[in-house]
Amino acid sequence: NAGVTQTPKFRVLKTGQSMTLLCAQDMNHEYMYWYRQDPGMGLRLIHYSVGEGTTAKGEVPDGYNVSRLKKQNFLLGLESAAPSQTSVYFCASSQPGLGLYNEQFFGPGTRLTVL
Amino acid sequence: GDSVTQMEGPVTLSEEAFLTINCTYTATGYPSLFWYVQYPGEGLQLLLKATKADDKGSNKGFEATYRKETTSFHLEKGSVQVSDSAVYFCALSDRSGNQFYFGTGTSLTVIP
Repeated sequence: NAGVTQTPKFRVLKTGQSMTLLCAQDMNHEYMYWYRQDPGMGLRLIHYSVGEGTTAKGEVPDGYNVSRLKKQNFLLGLESAAPSQTSVYFCASSQPGLGLYNEQFFGPGTRLTVL
Repeated sequence: GDSVTQMEGPVTLSEEAFLTINCTYTATGYPSLFWYVQYPGEGLQLLLKATKADDKGSNKGFEATYRKETTSFHLEKGSVQVSDSAVYFCALSDRSGNQFYFGTGTSLTVIP
């Protein structure tokens, strides 16, 4: 099992450009998440999905859109990149269970720089 | 809302020293609690977990006990190694499992 994979690993954009980050998981998890990690801020939730075809806003959703057309994939889009979106982006997935904890499994991250 | 507060870093220790990283939480209901570790250039990995009060999570010599009365989940290790150098995140998950809340992370450097 590959677990959670993210593409690309690195990307440099110019202000105003658009791009899509792809997250894929092969664990058949229902839940998927996108976080950004910034120095001194920890991880902040951007958007999440509790199942195929569903998405919801997290703590910092502005400037991002997401789609979950297939259960195994969760796409994060930046329509018009801004320097404030320079960050490391992590995808995660989890499988809810009755009365059980929901461990999150993380991808290796995408380092995005917006000039 | 739910939140996690953890000890600010960075923390620098000598090999074989005792480690404590403090974590306190605010939550409604009965959350699950986690410690994640992030090694340089990698994603987060689950280190240990606890799902109810008085549970002790343990892994690789690290331990943390879920203390409901003090709303704490402090991470401890009796003798750190250079290979433990990483960033440690405390986190909680509410019972719905829809969202996780992470602390800001504590950077640990262990010197020989």
